[in-house]
Amino acid sequence: EVQLVESGGGLVQPGGSLRLSCAASGFTFSSYWMSWVRQSPGKGLEWVANIKQDGSEKYYVDSVEGRFTISRDNAKNSLYLQMNSLRAEDTAVYYCARGGYNFGSWGQGTLVTVSS
Amino acid sequence: DIQMTQSPSTLSACVGDRVTITCRASQSINNWLAWYQQKPGKAPKLLIYKASSLESGVPSRFSGSGSGTEFTLTISGLQPDDFATYYCQLYNTYSQVRFGQGTKLEIK
Repeated sequence: EVQLVESGGGLVQPGGSLRLSCAASGFTFSSYWMSWVRQSPGKGLEWVANIKQDGSEKYYVDSVEGRFTISRDNAKNSLYLQMNSLRAEDTAVYYCARGGYNFGSWGQGTLVTVSS
Repeated sequence: DIQMTQSPSTLSACVGDRVTITCRASQSINNWLAWYQQKPGKAPKLLIYKASSLESGVPSRFSGSGSGTEFTLTISGLQPDDFATYYCQLYNTYSQVRFGQGTKLEIK
């Protein structure tokens, strides 16, 4: 069974940093593109970033380009999202998802709150 | 950037009804469109990919159609479990992944 478990969310002040992690199991992690998708409270879904199997290609939504960095460790079956210069509008539940553009499996999400 | 317009934003229907949700792209995306269902407090669930391909395990009452710029999700014979929010999603390239605004399907 595919499992994706996010961690690392929490309360952070504007301008601060946070690193999210996603532990994957139940499939061959190194064979899949992986993505982060977020959802602000009461709002719709927004794709944030994705990363190729070997990490050689990475793409970001314009609003996080230059502030967020997606990475992966295939030896640890883990996906990461380093978030710097956080803003109030980054407040959201962040989901880890399997796939680069079709998301067939999702984690339960981790809440990031940016507030002073 | 390609823009997505999903309609309606809210839809009221009864159990047993047939409903249709529409998604329009500002330019052709061939058939690179998916549909998701999301229930409150839960992660989204993939229903349809490549505009009309049913994800494994999804009931056959869900169907997708369209290509180019106009797409539809149809649910035939609504079940109580189907009342949720639905999102379309384009994926023109790995760097162009965008969700529609969502359609909340409510019980009439």
